[in-house]
Amino acid sequence: DTGVSQDPRHKITKRGQNVTFRCDPISEHNRLYWYRQTLGQGPEFLTYFQNEAQLEKSRLLSDRFSAERPKGSFSTLEIQRTEQGDSAMYLCASSLEVGGEQYFGPGTRLTVT
Amino acid sequence: DAKTTQPPSMDCAEGRAANLPCNHSTISGNEYVYWYRQIHSQGPQYIIHGLKNNETNEMASLIITEDRKSSTLILPHATLRDTAVYYCIVRVASGAGANNLFFGTGTRLTVIP
Repeated sequence: DTGVSQDPRHKITKRGQNVTFRCDPISEHNRLYWYRQTLGQGPEFLTYFQNEAQLEKSRLLSDRFSAERPKGSFSTLEIQRTEQGDSAMYLCASSLEVGGEQYFGPGTRLTVT
Repeated sequence: DAKTTQPPSMDCAEGRAANLPCNHSTISGNEYVYWYRQIHSQGPQYIIHGLKNNETNEMASLIITEDRKSSTLILPHATLRDTAVYYCIVRVASGAGANNLFFGTGTRLTVIP
């Protein structure tokens, strides 16, 4: 399968713990995006990378959130000191060019208890 | 900020055409209309996009009105697997705003046997 992959698919954590998610984009795609989706809502943009550079961040991305793409390939999204309001589906997408179709992974569902 | 308006839900009989409307009365001349869908528990999937002219691919057809203030996504022969939430999105192809897909709440299409 050469699509976007995300790991883990599900994560349950206790409030206050740190969690890290991984995204592997389609191999030739140099653009990578993170979105968050809560129940009953559409996905909301969090941040965007072109290669290893983080070029855009939403105001939704509080200082407890950090995303990296160190070698311009896979990306990680870390949430520190998780809160119950962080419970959501975290989606990763990649594209070949700016404005191009974004291909989404299956998401990581986070539950904070 | 929402740039599109879609009905919250629609039903369609299996085998019939599904016509999903979208209003985007404030669309700018350089903004494209994109359609994505999200099947339950999966990431969004790109369907089709267009600027002015009607477009067709193996999944669907996109009809854009002459004034570009509304469009319709047509699934010519709906199947049960087309049951999903369909998102109509307007975005520029380059520059600021090109990387952020604003999904809104979409239309939940239910295909009925």
